[in-house]
Amino acid sequence: QLVLTQSPSASASLGASVKLTCTLSSGHSSYAIAWHQQQPEKGPRYLMRLNSDGSHSKGDGIPDRFSGSSSGAERYLTISSLQSEDEADYYCQTWGTGIHVAFGGGTKLTVL
Amino acid sequence: EVQLLESGGGLVQPGGSLRLSCAASGFTFSNYAMNWVRQAPGKGLEWVSGISGGSGSSGRTDYADSVKGRFTISRDNSKNTMYLQTNSLRAEDTAIYYCAKERSVDTAMVSGTDAFDIWGQGTTVAVSS
Repeated sequence: QLVLTQSPSASASLGASVKLTCTLSSGHSSYAIAWHQQQPEKGPRYLMRLNSDGSHSKGDGIPDRFSGSSSGAERYLTISSLQSEDEADYYCQTWGTGIHVAFGGGTKLTVL
Repeated sequence: EVQLLESGGGLVQPGGSLRLSCAASGFTFSNYAMNWVRQAPGKGLEWVSGISGGSGSSGRTDYADSVKGRFTISRDNSKNTMYLQTNSLRAEDTAIYYCAKERSVDTAMVSGTDAFDIWGQGTTVAVSS
């Protein structure tokens, strides 16, 4: 069974950078994922699709401050020059042949 | 502008039913697989169901184990609308229900093959006596 693991919380200072991690379960290190942002009281927003080789395709209007990278079974979302509006929950999502769509538990990012 | 708009949520007693709708605009609806995702109060995102794209109104469907046999997903491409018929509702089905579009044109006639790139604003389902 494919499981995505995310740390429940993260924090960083205004103007700094933060790197969030999504880990694919054993045997699934080649899977692509997507990152989604959910600001308080809003619906999710697609940020990017991130492939196992680190290539990524961002959604329309997503600032260059958001970038993705990969290493083995880990998928990263890096947010640079943190702004107050980046305070949100961040979810990773994956999919594949013969498996159901899955989401990670989400990381709550606090901007200090 | 690409947009998804959910409707049909409400307060229902345990064992009751609701039909949720997702109206799409700004893209060729029939070309894309579509999905329902829910979020219980204070919890994370949970995939509920998906339906493949295609020129006909029917599509290949898939369900989470938690709703299989109780929920039915469907689509009407002539109306650019997807539906979720929810029956035998339980307290644990209480959530905001979002519809979401898959990123790539569905050439495989199956859902769950790419990221969700467009989300609706959600409709709230509350199951309580």
